[in-house]
Amino acid sequence: DVKVTQSSRYLVKRTGEKVFLECVQDMDHENMFWYRQDPGLGLRLIYFSYDVKMKEKGDIPEGYSVSREKKERFSLILESASTNQTSMYLCASTARANEQYFGPGTRLTVT
Amino acid sequence: AQSVTQLDSQVPVFEEAPVELRCNYSSSVSVYLFWYVQYPNQGLQLLLKYLSGSTLVKGINGFEAEFNKSQTSFHLRKPSVHISDTAEYFCAVTRGSTLGRLYFGRGTQLTVWP
Repeated sequence: DVKVTQSSRYLVKRTGEKVFLECVQDMDHENMFWYRQDPGLGLRLIYFSYDVKMKEKGDIPEGYSVSREKKERFSLILESASTNQTSMYLCASTARANEQYFGPGTRLTVT
Repeated sequence: AQSVTQLDSQVPVFEEAPVELRCNYSSSVSVYLFWYVQYPNQGLQLLLKYLSGSTLVKGINGFEAEFNKSQTSFHLRKPSVHISDTAEYFCAVTRGSTLGRLYFGRGTQLTVWP
């Protein structure tokens, strides 16, 4: 059974903190994605990666960075968290142009 | 870039009634189409997908969708809904050449009342 795991389900951080969100997949997929989900806006792509050490900006990369040192792990970094980054963050992976498998999400609150 | 429009943000229905959730996309090239479901406090789960072949696609939980190329639509249907179908539904599209990137609609909240 395929699996995408995210390091935390709920996270509360203070403004200005550096935040790491971790995502791990066990399907040997090449492509991995980070989205944020906000009510009424659907899913918006932050960054994606199609290989180790490769990354591409999505639609809303500002305020975020990513790291992919190993094929199975894709990290999202908030360099200096702000209240407007309070959101649900979803990680996904896919082998090619096919369905994406999603993790359970991390609900981040920045106070 | 692709764009996906889900025409209804909220759809309330009574149990055992039929439902249709509408999705239109913009693309001049061949696409792959998906419907995902998200139950409260969970990630997204694939309901069904269209890659090629028959335009009527059957998915899990009794849902089906029909690909209409001329109308660039991929509407989701279920003949009789259950309370457990209450969830948010997302339509998504990708092209084979874009490394698996999906473009999502804004979602439709389906609420089934007893």
